[in-house]
Amino acid sequence: GAVVSQHPSRVICKSGTSVKIECRSLDFQATTMFWYRQFPKQSLMLMATSNEGSKATYEQGVEKDKFLINHASLTLSTLTVTSAHPEDSSFYICSARPGWMNTEAFFGQGTRLTVV
Amino acid sequence: AQSVTQLGSHVSVSEGALVLLRCNYSSSVPPYLFWYVQYPNQGLQLLLKYTSAATLVKGINGFEAEFKKSETSFHLTKPSAHMSDAAEYFCAVSDRYAGGTSYGKLTFGQGTILTVHP
Repeated sequence: GAVVSQHPSRVICKSGTSVKIECRSLDFQATTMFWYRQFPKQSLMLMATSNEGSKATYEQGVEKDKFLINHASLTLSTLTVTSAHPEDSSFYICSARPGWMNTEAFFGQGTRLTVV
Repeated sequence: AQSVTQLGSHVSVSEGALVLLRCNYSSSVPPYLFWYVQYPNQGLQLLLKYTSAATLVKGINGFEAEFKKSETSFHLTKPSAHMSDAAEYFCAVSDRYAGGTSYGKLTFGQGTILTVHP
């Protein structure tokens, strides 16, 4: 149980285009999902917290108009990188938390985005 | 604000040797603490977590960690390293439940790459 599926695992796109990454909780309802970004050889940095049915909360320094997050259902959150540039190339990882009192969030497999 | 410091970005051990990965945290209240492992181009897998029960926490794959409040530490150990343990390890901290919607948000340390030599 507690499986989080992230898709796609890898994507290459051209500069100026938009890319959508999906994060699904397969066997539980996720009231909250988190989106992280990991630069090469660095740690994970939280980008935003997504709560079902409400607007995402972005961390300081993260452009909300560039990284659009939608959490329309209890099992799906999407991250859209708009007008992508090469500096957006990174590893994006989502996690999902089941319920309000659980002490753990489960991670997806990550998405390697390369913008050329 | 919470923070996590992992001492040593790279640790190298021989197969069969003790593994010790260090983690110190900073938090105004006792937090929840986690250790995750990450293999190349993959997501994170939880090794173990401390949520205020026993201070010595046993996890998967023979790993364990001890929460020491006086030292604000949560070091990860394994008595005997296997080649398959080679990966990157992250220590993380999160808030305890305070009724906020950001519960479960993790702050990560910088990561420690573990290399295991035959």
